Amino acid sequence: GENVEQHPSTLSVQEGDSAVIKCTYSDSASNYFPWYKQELGKGPQLIIDIRSNVGEKKDQRIAVTLNKTAKHFSLHITETQPEDSAVYFCAASIRNTGNQFYFGTGTSLTVIP
Amino acid sequence: GAVVSQHPSRVICKSGTSVKIECRSLDFQATTMFWYRQFPKQSLMLMATSNEGSKATYEQGVEKDKFLINHASLTLSTLTVTSAHPEDSSFYICSAFRLELVETQYFGPGTRLLVL
Repeated sequence: GENVEQHPSTLSVQEGDSAVIKCTYSDSASNYFPWYKQELGKGPQLIIDIRSNVGEKKDQRIAVTLNKTAKHFSLHITETQPEDSAVYFCAASIRNTGNQFYFGTGTSLTVIP
Repeated sequence: GAVVSQHPSRVICKSGTSVKIECRSLDFQATTMFWYRQFPKQSLMLMATSNEGSKATYEQGVEKDKFLINHASLTLSTLTVTSAHPEDSSFYICSAFRLELVETQYFGPGTRLLVL
């Protein structure tokens, strides 16, 4: 089955700096990679996703890159703000099959004002 | 948007009682709903996959007689923790696939269960 690894487990950055979180996956059949943000005591919220036919996707301060050959994908947050502080999870799945998502172990991001 | 609600948001119960958690997709129909359990500072652990009108598929190690799942309609799935014990205390989260876009899971806000 699929195995998703996520690094780092914790990350602290100064406000305004960039944050990068990296994930690797093992199953080459995976073709959909969402990222979720989870604030304390709340459910995960989708912030960005990427499909395997795309190498990069950007949405304002958030971007995701995908390297299919190396089987890794990364989340980039630029100009970080204190409200970006949360736990971020990556996931991998196969699109449109109803298959389960395989989640990374999470990264706790702290943005220091 | 794609809004998923859960009720209750938190519940405290005595050991031995049963607790029902509802998961509703508010603005879309969900062919498939998932139930997760999350321990503090850990990732989401999939418990079961729930398809409307059929029996749920449980992950290995999850007791189907203890965690009863019913998916009676395209907008509602319920998880009942039967004969709850303190070790069942956890954060339970549901998610749903949209009927017309079976790609992304949309998560509910979670239910905090504390068994005394």
